[in-house]
Amino acid sequence: DGGITQSPKYLFRKEGQNVTLSCEQNLNHDAMYWYRQDPGQGLRLIYYSQIVNDFQKGDIAEGYSVSREKKESFPLTVTSAQKNPTAFYLCASSIGGRGGNQPQHFGDGTRLSIL
Amino acid sequence: DAKTTQPNSMESNEEEPVHLPCNHSTISGTDYIHWYRQLPSQGPEYVIHGLTSNVNNRMASLAIAEDRKSSTLILHRATLRDAAVYYCILRPMNRDDKIIFGKGTRLHILP
Repeated sequence: DGGITQSPKYLFRKEGQNVTLSCEQNLNHDAMYWYRQDPGQGLRLIYYSQIVNDFQKGDIAEGYSVSREKKESFPLTVTSAQKNPTAFYLCASSIGGRGGNQPQHFGDGTRLSIL
Repeated sequence: DAKTTQPNSMESNEEEPVHLPCNHSTISGTDYIHWYRQLPSQGPEYVIHGLTSNVNNRMASLAIAEDRKSSTLILHRATLRDAAVYYCILRPMNRDDKIIFGKGTRLHILP
């Protein structure tokens, strides 16, 4: 079945440590996105990529970094500069290039906590 | 970005239809109306979207008012698995970036 796979499901970070969240899709989608969700809140966009080797900052990019070396993969690194990283992180993808006339498909998320 | 207004929560009995309302009085002519739902500890799931005409798919129906200032998501026969937070979202035709999620409607299904 086609879909988006996020791993790990749960992740713990120590102070001063960088951690990387994995996102892989086999939907052949061009566009990929990273969102952050805090308890009881909506989603906020961290980074998005509309094509391989290109990505743009979203609303809350500070303390995060991404790469898009392959169409299928869009890993997110939470750096030590992100002072409040505890949240539910969601990766999404879409066909791309069609504006609002297309859905975004989401993975099941990674829950990051601070030790 | 145009905003949407939804009730905080709703209840429905199992096996009955559910009508989830959404107001979007400031919608522009090029905004698509999308619905997503999110089950606990899972990512949002796309449900349906439309522009002007009513839409049907295997999950639900979307009824759009003639003036497009409101819409209704219809679940034809609710099951316990439909208990989730439902989000009504507007997405501009010419933008391919973020989805702005509000608080949504928490739907409770009574057995």
